[in-house]
Amino acid sequence: DAGVIQSPRHEVTEMGQEVTLRCKPISGHDYLFWYRQTMMRGLELLIYFNNNVPIDDSGMPEDRFSAKMPNASFSTLKIQPSEPRDSAVYFCASREAGQGDHEQYFGPGTRLTVT
Amino acid sequence: AQSVTQLDSQVPVFEEAPVELRCNYSSSVSVYLFWYVQYPNQGLQLLLKYLSGSTLVKGINGFEAEFNKSQTSFHLRKPSVHISDTAEYFCAVSQYGNKLVFGAGTILRVKS
Repeated sequence: DAGVIQSPRHEVTEMGQEVTLRCKPISGHDYLFWYRQTMMRGLELLIYFNNNVPIDDSGMPEDRFSAKMPNASFSTLKIQPSEPRDSAVYFCASREAGQGDHEQYFGPGTRLTVT
Repeated sequence: AQSVTQLDSQVPVFEEAPVELRCNYSSSVSVYLFWYVQYPNQGLQLLLKYLSGSTLVKGINGFEAEFNKSQTSFHLRKPSVHISDTAEYFCAVSQYGNKLVFGAGTILRVKS
């Protein structure tokens, strides 16, 4: 398996622009997670889905952030409008339900820079 | 709510020396515990996990950790480190395996 795939790997944009980050989870995984990593706040969970349904979005910082999962193999995290404080590395992770090992598999991340 | 404290932000150690990275957690309920490693410009990789059972957990790359419920700790150890172990290590806690709460991370610097 190719693992969790994220695109783009790097994104540089200007303040006020819309940014869309993409994630393809591992095939057969039921859960998908979006995390953000910054120097100030560390790694924090933004939102997670189970079977394409958002379960907990309490970590989404503001209404400017939205996430969707239209099908089992694709998810997006959108920021509109973007601000410099959104600069961070955004990770997508997925895991399989039912096996009990609870391991989340992380993608390589998208490094977002908002100028 | 759960929280994780990693007591050392950086740990320098010479190659082939033993190392311990400390992790304490806070939770009012039973939790699962994890250690992840992040190499530069990469995602996180699971080293090991404690779900239940034996309190001594062995993981990949020769790492092990011991769950201590009375001290609410889950320290990571390796008896002999290599240059390739240089990375950032994250301790994490979760109640059901979904909402991972991470510590701030410990950078392990292995010197030759």
